[in-house]
Amino acid sequence: QQQVKQSPQSLIVQKGGISIINCAYENTAFDYFPWYQQFPGKGPALLIAIRPDVSEKKEGRFTISFNKSAKQFSLHIMDSQPGDSATYFCPSGSARQLTFGSGTQLTVLP
Amino acid sequence: ETGVTQTPRHLVMGMTNKKSLKCEQHLGHNAMYWYKQSAKKPLELMFVYNFKEQTENNSVPSRFSPECPNSSHLFLHLHTLQPEDSALYLCASSHQVRLAGGPVGANVLTFGAGSRLTVL
Repeated sequence: QQQVKQSPQSLIVQKGGISIINCAYENTAFDYFPWYQQFPGKGPALLIAIRPDVSEKKEGRFTISFNKSAKQFSLHIMDSQPGDSATYFCPSGSARQLTFGSGTQLTVLP
Repeated sequence: ETGVTQTPRHLVMGMTNKKSLKCEQHLGHNAMYWYKQSAKKPLELMFVYNFKEQTENNSVPSRFSPECPNSSHLFLHLHTLQPEDSALYLCASSHQVRLAGGPVGANVLTFGAGSRLTVL
């Protein structure tokens, strides 16, 4: 069973700052390493995902970095905005039984 | 809309009622999931259907009964629920490939907006 450790549990950033969330995993059983974003009262939505043969992927202000040797991938949110305030998840488990931890609660202060 | 539609969006029911939650996807996915999200708790995987067959049941009480009549529709039948069952119930779908060792696929799920259930 794939295990990931996500950190930090909560993060407070000033508007315009950089938000960084990390996930450490055990093996590369997945085809993609995704980040999900969830706003209160809504379902999680795929934010960005990276294949394990790619080291970095950027979509607008969001960048996902993959460090295969360190078995870690991270989410960077540049120029963080109050609208980015949400819970962010990197899922764990197998593709047959994907599980989500408590995630990282990001608060961007105006 | 994400491509996964859940109805109703809100449901209030008594402990003796019988109701159903419905999920529909038109993404061509062949795996569907029910998750439960309670306040300040992680998402809990309840059921997984691959190719219309239930492959996972994470020790969910029998008062929750899933039904997957085809790869586009998933139901969660509810009966004699408890107040602690009040939560956001999320449906998700994904694409799985059937291999000899079992279904595998990308860990990319598309979630619906959820059904907010309140049990009185």
